[in-house]
Amino acid sequence: DAKTTQPPSMDCAEGRAANLPCNHSTISGNEYVYWYRQIHSQGPQYIIHGLKNNETNEMASLIITEDRKSSTLILPHATLRDTAVYYCIATPYGNNRLAFGKGNQVVVIP
Amino acid sequence: NAGVTQTPKFRILKIGQSMTLQCTQDMNHNYMYWYRQDPGMGLKLIYYSVGAGITDKGEVPNGYNVSRSTTEDFPLRLELAAPSQTSVYFCASNYGGNTEAFFGQGTRLTVV
Repeated sequence: DAKTTQPPSMDCAEGRAANLPCNHSTISGNEYVYWYRQIHSQGPQYIIHGLKNNETNEMASLIITEDRKSSTLILPHATLRDTAVYYCIATPYGNNRLAFGKGNQVVVIP
Repeated sequence: NAGVTQTPKFRILKIGQSMTLQCTQDMNHNYMYWYRQDPGMGLKLIYYSVGAGITDKGEVPNGYNVSRSTTEDFPLRLELAAPSQTSVYFCASNYGGNTEAFFGQGTRLTVV
């Protein structure tokens, strides 16, 4: 799996868009980018994943750069309930063994 | 819709004792996983299974055993508990491929 690099922590303002960066400069062509989050020591929750096209669902948008070396998870209107540790994972299709790093502790501030 | 259910939620073990962490899912997923999470760290894969009767080691399998006799259940066995096994244990499941994984709420285990 490609190594991913995230800031250890960041703050976001409630009601504003939260942009969470992830660097994966060694990503290979068959590796997907996954995002999960973990709220207050609960089990991780899937957010979104993508290969090279931008993706959007009801929770978030995933923007992957054209060279695929980095990506940004966008929470369009951050709420206090979005406070969590966010994990960015790069792994090949079919590799079900997700490798979680330390993630990015995101705190949404009122 | 229960999803992935883990029992117990909390447990204190003495060194050398044994126990089984239970995990069951009702989504008919073929793939199931056990992770452990130490304080301030990410999750590490212990064992996984791609279907009934098939299991394989993950990153940190030492001190643990698993079995998968049914699609629904994937118990994790600790034979001789050690303080280093103090952790939060998460079970997960999915259909495989690049499908989303669903996690249980965790079992917080303390070995004293």
